[in-house]
Amino acid sequence: ILNVEQSPQSLHVQEGDSTNFTCSFPSSNFYALHWYRWETAKSPEALFVMTLNGDEKKKGRISATLNTKEGYSYLYIKGSQPEDSATYLCASLNTGNQFYFGTGTSLTVIP
Amino acid sequence: ETGVTQTPRHLVMGMTNKKSLKCEQHLGHNAMYWYKQSAKKPLELMFVYNFKEQTENNSVPSRFSPECPNSSHLFLHLHTLQPEDSALYLCASSQPGQGPEQYFGPGTRLTVT
Repeated sequence: ILNVEQSPQSLHVQEGDSTNFTCSFPSSNFYALHWYRWETAKSPEALFVMTLNGDEKKKGRISATLNTKEGYSYLYIKGSQPEDSATYLCASLNTGNQFYFGTGTSLTVIP
Repeated sequence: ETGVTQTPRHLVMGMTNKKSLKCEQHLGHNAMYWYKQSAKKPLELMFVYNFKEQTENNSVPSRFSPECPNSSHLFLHLHTLQPEDSALYLCASSQPGQGPEQYFGPGTRLTVT
């Protein structure tokens, strides 16, 4: 993988459903993986920064895992609520201190 | 005070105009960034400043000219832009060092006519 890729590009879930999406990144020269939550007309907001293989982070109903050897991270949302509707961005930071962002996953939670 | 502010939020300019985007951070950070987001594309890093010194310029055309007079302020001066430069321009700040999270402003939506 040469670029940071996120999937799916968008998804719609019903309120109360749990969901997850993927971020794939180059595993060579990896240093850190960032997840951001970006609501329309607002600033992207940092959710997690992960550096170690096997890292798991949690913030309320949102959690993330990291596999640096195979170059992927999952973001999970448990019991989705309408206020979770946003675009979720991941960014990979390499050892050259360069950030590469994915195009994001746009989540819509239907009440 | 919100952490990172950007002005203006929206800007429409002609190709012969000169305008500037302003970013200000109130977080005491020493690194500041300009990003560009075009439709359906990932955020693209344009410039990085660490302790007021430009440390990265990702092959950005010279019609974009950054300025960092101090650690709290970052400008992006625009002149003779092209319609394809229409995009959302985001500013961010962080503490220098690898791995830090970045704090973003709300962006300036630029339209070049």
